[in-house]
Amino acid sequence: GQQLNQSPQSMFIQEGEDVSMNCTSSSIFNTWLWYKQDPGEGPVLLIALYKAGELTSNGRLTAQFGITRKDSFLNISASIPSDVGIYFCAGQFSDGGSQGNLIFGKGTKLSVKP
Amino acid sequence: NAGVMQNPRHLVRRRGQEARLRCSPMKGHSHVYWYRQLPEEGLKFMVYLQKENIIDESGMPKERFSAEFPKEGPSILRIQQVVRGDSAAYFCASSPGLGLYGYTFGSGTRLTVV
Repeated sequence: GQQLNQSPQSMFIQEGEDVSMNCTSSSIFNTWLWYKQDPGEGPVLLIALYKAGELTSNGRLTAQFGITRKDSFLNISASIPSDVGIYFCAGQFSDGGSQGNLIFGKGTKLSVKP
Repeated sequence: NAGVMQNPRHLVRRRGQEARLRCSPMKGHSHVYWYRQLPEEGLKFMVYLQKENIIDESGMPKERFSAEFPKEGPSILRIQQVVRGDSAAYFCASSPGLGLYGYTFGSGTRLTVV
């Protein structure tokens, strides 16, 4: 099946540092999404990207939809302890037959040291 | 304005028993999606339903798994004769229409097969 390669798998950073993570795919996506999942909870949407080249911010978070439509990155600036969690990228194919089906990466586990 | 409600939050079943997982979509949402998440993995799409119709079940195992979304009441994901490998977190998402606008996840049901 289709896969998203998300990296890094985990990060241990100091409070105040910036964070960057990315996802790549062998297939073209028409939408990229970034989610955060806290323990015992479902994913919560952080940023949605709908156009190639699009750069979108949500507070300290910035994400971009790659020009080739096969990659995306998420940056978190000035990290704080509550940024701890697992971050997932997810994409949706251009194939109209798979509307509503999201393909998820394996996640980046972020730990922040105060 | 309640979000996507899933119950139970935790479910323990012995091998060979049946598991029934319920998902009540957000008010006004008529599209429901089920995903499965194994430990240390991303979510994997299982099935997409609208009221009384299965739209896409390409991610459902061929045997023992079924899903429904009746005209009245919650969507049900049913797993018959559970095995240890079915242990996972099962998430439901709902949306008001086709596409990703308003696509929201519930908090999941954690199934443990003993």
